[in-house]
Amino acid sequence: EVQLVESGGDLVQPGGSLRLSCAASGFTFSSYAMSWVRQAPGKGLEWVSSISGSGGRTYYADPVKGRFAISRDNSKSTLYLQVNSLRAEDTAVYYCAIRTQGYYFDYWGQGTLVTVSS
Amino acid sequence: QSALTQPASVSGSPGQSITISCTGTSSDVGGYNYVSWYQQHPGKAPKLMIYDVSNRPSGVSNRFSGSKSGNTASLTISGLQAEDEADYYCSSHTSGSTSWVFGGGTKLTVL
Repeated sequence: EVQLVESGGDLVQPGGSLRLSCAASGFTFSSYAMSWVRQAPGKGLEWVSSISGSGGRTYYADPVKGRFAISRDNSKSTLYLQVNSLRAEDTAVYYCAIRTQGYYFDYWGQGTLVTVSS
Repeated sequence: QSALTQPASVSGSPGQSITISCTGTSSDVGGYNYVSWYQQHPGKAPKLMIYDVSNRPSGVSNRFSGSKSGNTASLTISGLQAEDEADYYCSSHTSGSTSWVFGGGTKLTVL
């Protein structure tokens, strides 16, 4: 059974940083691209970033480019998102998700909440 | 403002059918057969319901179906059940700098 468990969310001041983690199990982690998708309180879903199975290719949404960094440790089956220079508009639940085949997200974790406020 | 346009809400009675539209552009919905739909119950993670416009993942009821015409995709739920009450989001791969775009979400109420 595929399981994705996010952690690392917290209350942080504007300009602060966090590292989000997503522990994966139930599948061959290194074989699949992984992504982060966020959802601001009461709002819709927004794609944030994706990384290839090897980690060699990364992609970012324009609002986070230059501030967020996605990475993975295939030996630990863990996905990361380093979030820097946080702004109020980054407040959201951050979900990790897997793409096993095509251009869709098959499985999602339960999310971790990042709140940016002074 | 979301990249894909969905109605904010739809409603229907048990047993009825409803359709949720998702309108994009030729750079996303109209340009690729990579539209997917997700169901989200309050406080829960999204769940994949339809992929590649009209395909259902294993385990998803055949009451859910998808289609596309031009720049507009649609999700149809037939034989509405109380458990279908949730938020529904469409998504598409895009040729822009953003790899994926989502709709703003549609709240389905089962009356």
